[in-house]
Amino acid sequence: GIQVEQSPPDLILQEGANSTLRCNFSDSVNNLQWFHQNPWGQLINLFYIPSGTKQNGRLSATTVATERYSLLYISSSQTTDSGVYFCAPAGSARQLTFGSGTQLTVLP
Amino acid sequence: DAGVIQSPRHEVTEMGQEVTLRCKPISGHDYLFWYRQTMMRGLELLIYFNNNVPIDDSGMPEDRFSAKMPNASFSTLKIQPSEPRDSAVYFCATGEGKRGYTFGSGTRLTVV
Repeated sequence: GIQVEQSPPDLILQEGANSTLRCNFSDSVNNLQWFHQNPWGQLINLFYIPSGTKQNGRLSATTVATERYSLLYISSSQTTDSGVYFCAPAGSARQLTFGSGTQLTVLP
Repeated sequence: DAGVIQSPRHEVTEMGQEVTLRCKPISGHDYLFWYRQTMMRGLELLIYFNNNVPIDDSGMPEDRFSAKMPNASFSTLKIQPSEPRDSAVYFCATGEGKRGYTFGSGTRLTVV
């Protein structure tokens, strides 16, 4: 199956700072999603982005499928952005494979 | 749209008891996935269905686990008998084609 590596594993920011989270994957993908797991454990879908660039407010994501990586940008971070961010690609099979996540803490 | 609905939200049971987790997918979604999340193993796929048919159950840990999807509106994950190592958060996710998948709020299972 697909191997997924996320970096950094932990990130501590001051409110208002920007950050970039990276996801490397080992195979070609038909699907790639970024999720935010909030402190209550809910998995919130941020982006469906097997290729290209998308933006949603302060968040944006870019996937370069040919080079097998995806980036999640968070600008002007807020305390409510805290939580774990997961990258989850899927190859020819339909199931998503989750990375180990980036634990983000935004300090007030 | 009520999203993917899972029940119960929390379940505490004694070792050896049968546990049944339930999932109602979003209407029209033809894929349904069961995932388990633990601190040690992260998020791992247990089984998934396409049009109510199980496609890949290689992630089901052992024969104590079984999953069914009798119709497009309902799926169950059953553990019989349950063991303390089954304690985890169990997520159901559904989706269609190439639009990505939506996760339910999960069931936190504790086996004592």
